[in-house]
Amino acid sequence: QKEVEQDPGPLSVPEGAIVSLNCTYSNSAFQYFMWYRQYSRKGPELLMYTYSSGNKEDGRFTAQVDKSSKYISLFIRDSQPSDSATYLCAISNQAGTALIFGKGTTLSVSS
Amino acid sequence: SAVISQKPSRDICQRGTSLTIQCQVDSQVTMMFWYRQQPGQSLTLIATANQGSEATYESGFVIDKFPISRPNLTFSTLTVSNMSPEDSSIYLCSAVSGVAGNTIYFGEGSWLTVV
Repeated sequence: QKEVEQDPGPLSVPEGAIVSLNCTYSNSAFQYFMWYRQYSRKGPELLMYTYSSGNKEDGRFTAQVDKSSKYISLFIRDSQPSDSATYLCAISNQAGTALIFGKGTTLSVSS
Repeated sequence: SAVISQKPSRDICQRGTSLTIQCQVDSQVTMMFWYRQQPGQSLTLIATANQGSEATYESGFVIDKFPISRPNLTFSTLTVSNMSPEDSSIYLCSAVSGVAGNTIYFGEGSWLTVV
């Protein structure tokens, strides 16, 4: 079993839709959870960072961690065409250590 | 946040040659990492670049193939040696930054095509 599983999609939604992106992980020792956005031919850009369980909101983005289920989610409200990108979940068990990445989900938002 | 610059941004390389990628961070950072992202794949950690000592490599990556230097707290290089078409990838430099030292930022990547 891989340490992080993420459905690669692709996921296509109309503009304004609510998008849900998800990852599961296998090791309960993981404490740090991140979401990155990667546009084509660009490096990953940090979107959200969460420590342990709970929710974190930043504008249209909400990150959610359920440690009991080993499940993390990223919700995008009022999706825009500019949100079209690949979204990567990443986890680690210690602050400042290397991350383990999911495969990434490719999202396309049509206007 | 840290701003990370990589050079070259892209290159086409001949089989059997070596190429060195440079990574410059705009502030001193404790941890730097090198990742590889093969076409259509996610990011795979190559090694942790340690300042003043040898890099720590992940399983499947060896120093002879991917020598890494880190002479100070803002700069690192990754060399891809004796390249083959299988080495065609994006190579990404990353660094730990943030007040708590717990957020990781990435450069724009170096796109290598080996022909």
